[in-house]
Amino acid sequence: GAVVSQHPSRVICKSGTSVKIECRSLDFQATTMFWYRQFPKKSLMLMATSNEGSKATYEQGVEKDKFLINHASLTLSTLTVTSAHPEDSSFYICSARPTSGRSYNEQFFGPGTRLTVL
Amino acid sequence: AQTVTQSQPEMSVQEAETVTLSCTYDTSESNYYLFWYKQPPSRQMILVIRQEAYKQQNATENRFSVNFQKAAKSFSLKISDSQLGDTAMYFCAFLMNRDDKIIFGKGTRLHILP
Repeated sequence: GAVVSQHPSRVICKSGTSVKIECRSLDFQATTMFWYRQFPKKSLMLMATSNEGSKATYEQGVEKDKFLINHASLTLSTLTVTSAHPEDSSFYICSARPTSGRSYNEQFFGPGTRLTVL
Repeated sequence: AQTVTQSQPEMSVQEAETVTLSCTYDTSESNYYLFWYKQPPSRQMILVIRQEAYKQQNATENRFSVNFQKAAKSFSLKISDSQLGDTAMYFCAFLMNRDDKIIFGKGTRLHILP
């Protein structure tokens, strides 16, 4: 149980285009999901907290107009990188926190999406 | 603000040995949660073990155990009988309450040598 998927796992795009990354909780509902960015050999950096049915909360320094987050249902959150540039190339990880149940204090992580912007 | 410090950027041990990863944190709160996450080369984050601050007993999961010293704000992870599959990045993490965000340490890269 408590599986989180991400799609795509890997994406290459041209500079200036937009890319959408999906995060799904497969066997539980998640009112809250989190989006992280991870540089090579570094820790996870929280970008934003996504809440179902409301606007995302962005961390300081993260451009909300560049990294659009939509949490349309209790099992799906999307991150859209708009007008991507090479410096946006990174590994993006989502996590989901169960709405209820024994593991409600935990976050379950997706496998990540590697974005490469040419 | 809460902080998590992992003072060992990288460690290497021989297979079957026991290894301890250090973690200290800073908080003024009395109730919180602590976690160790493993990130293998696949980069999938895996929860290794968790500890609730109100519990005095140290958490144990098979070969993994923690030494939780609340007064010292220390939360070390001990891996017994280490295996090649334990090679990974290990992150210590702090969560004040379920509505808060997880705070991660910078990680310790662990190499298990054959």
